[in-house]
Amino acid sequence: GAGVSQSPSNKVTEKGKDVELRCDPISGHTALYWYRQSLGQGLEFLIYFQGNSAPDKSGLPSDRFSAERTGGSVSTLTIQRTQQEDSAVYLCASSVAPGQGSTEAFFGQGTRLTVV
Amino acid sequence: AQSVSQHNHHVILSEAASLELGCNYSYGGTVNLFWYVQYPGQHLQLLLKYFSGDPLVKGIKGFEAEFIKSKFSFNLRKPSVQWSDTAEYFCAVNAPMDTGRRALTFGSGTRLQVQP
Repeated sequence: GAGVSQSPSNKVTEKGKDVELRCDPISGHTALYWYRQSLGQGLEFLIYFQGNSAPDKSGLPSDRFSAERTGGSVSTLTIQRTQQEDSAVYLCASSVAPGQGSTEAFFGQGTRLTVV
Repeated sequence: AQSVSQHNHHVILSEAASLELGCNYSYGGTVNLFWYVQYPGQHLQLLLKYFSGDPLVKGIKGFEAEFIKSKFSFNLRKPSVQWSDTAEYFCAVNAPMDTGRRALTFGSGTRLQVQP
């Protein structure tokens, strides 16, 4: 696609439910990143994929958070047993692989998650 | 992990005033440096980037930034701001040759408000 696409754009869920957030990166971008932006805060790194593997998942805040990427393209971020503190905007970005030119990351519009 | 500090959290300027937003990072190796902007209701967009070469880089909309390696700084400047520059500005850094630091690390952001 022309840009990074995320779905849904908004998600309201009840505390304790599981949610899945989807990211469709720019075609040909092998690197994919997930970030979280809480109200009034900066961007918090969650996980980085290179192809289908995740060499850096150091930002996942707990074992309730997991992510996968299949076919070197679409990625899904799953939050199990959601808590109110999980409420945030979840951003996905993609870039070409480091060493293959510009590592500029292109961002999607984000998924606004509200846990009630 | 590297960290990024933005010292100005909220800046209010009148139109035509000059702007300088500070950004410092902590990482001793080779880095790529970025400034992103987030206009109200929009997704993150790249303003400018530094990979190598001339430490003074020019971006879109009249913005520029200077990389001073000895000070670990990458300050953003604009000689004359406009009302349309009202937005949140994020400094970011990555180390593309370091597997554990390829994902962008962001500062906490600076909210710029330009008064007409």
